[in-house]
Amino acid sequence: AQSVTQPDIHITVSEGASLELRCNYSYGATPYLFWYVQSPGQGLQLLLKYFSGDTLVQGIKGFEAEFKRSQSSFNLRKPSVHWSDAAEYFCAAQTSNQAGTALIFGKGTTLSVSS
Amino acid sequence: EAGVTQFPSHSVIEKGQTVTLRCDPISGHDNLYWYRRVMGKEIKFLLHFVKESKQDESGMPNNRFLAERTGGTYSTLKVQPAELEDSGVYFCASSQEEAQGRGDREQYFGPGTRLTVT
Repeated sequence: AQSVTQPDIHITVSEGASLELRCNYSYGATPYLFWYVQSPGQGLQLLLKYFSGDTLVQGIKGFEAEFKRSQSSFNLRKPSVHWSDAAEYFCAAQTSNQAGTALIFGKGTTLSVSS
Repeated sequence: EAGVTQFPSHSVIEKGQTVTLRCDPISGHDNLYWYRRVMGKEIKFLLHFVKESKQDESGMPNNRFLAERTGGTYSTLKVQPAELEDSGVYFCASSQEEAQGRGDREQYFGPGTRLTVT
């Protein structure tokens, strides 16, 4: 069955330190891949997406993600975390050969930022 | 441009009661999705409308859940009768019309409705 795994439930990072959130997927073919962020009281906001091509994807708010086919991974990174980055982050995947299909989400990773 | 809105933001009901959740998608978005997150679990797909038609309702948990999208604008999700396991956050998302053969339309999410069944 198709699935997305986020191994880390909760991560704490010091402000200014680098961040990497892990995401692995299990799909028959390479899916479209997404990272969303949810701040308290807000909806899910798309940070970045990967469809094909360059495996290093740049997103909003200084985030980037790297697609690694050999590892079935799509890890999210940020070189220097800000206190406002504290939120819950979701990795999601979507079947790439069919329009309008649903997203499959990981369980989410909660990021805390310490001063 | 207004985003996806959901009403209410929070609902507390007793087991056996009925609750109706509403979602207003972004104007002009033909695709509307409902998702649910039960505490401690991942966000899971419930169903997908294209305009007023149900395109995929494979994620609907049982016949206590009824979704409608009359006129292809806003959508409602009714739970009747509610059970304890229905508690969670219900998200709505919308996206533009799909380009032929491609599924790369971003889904824009609302803030969710937190449903608590006691």
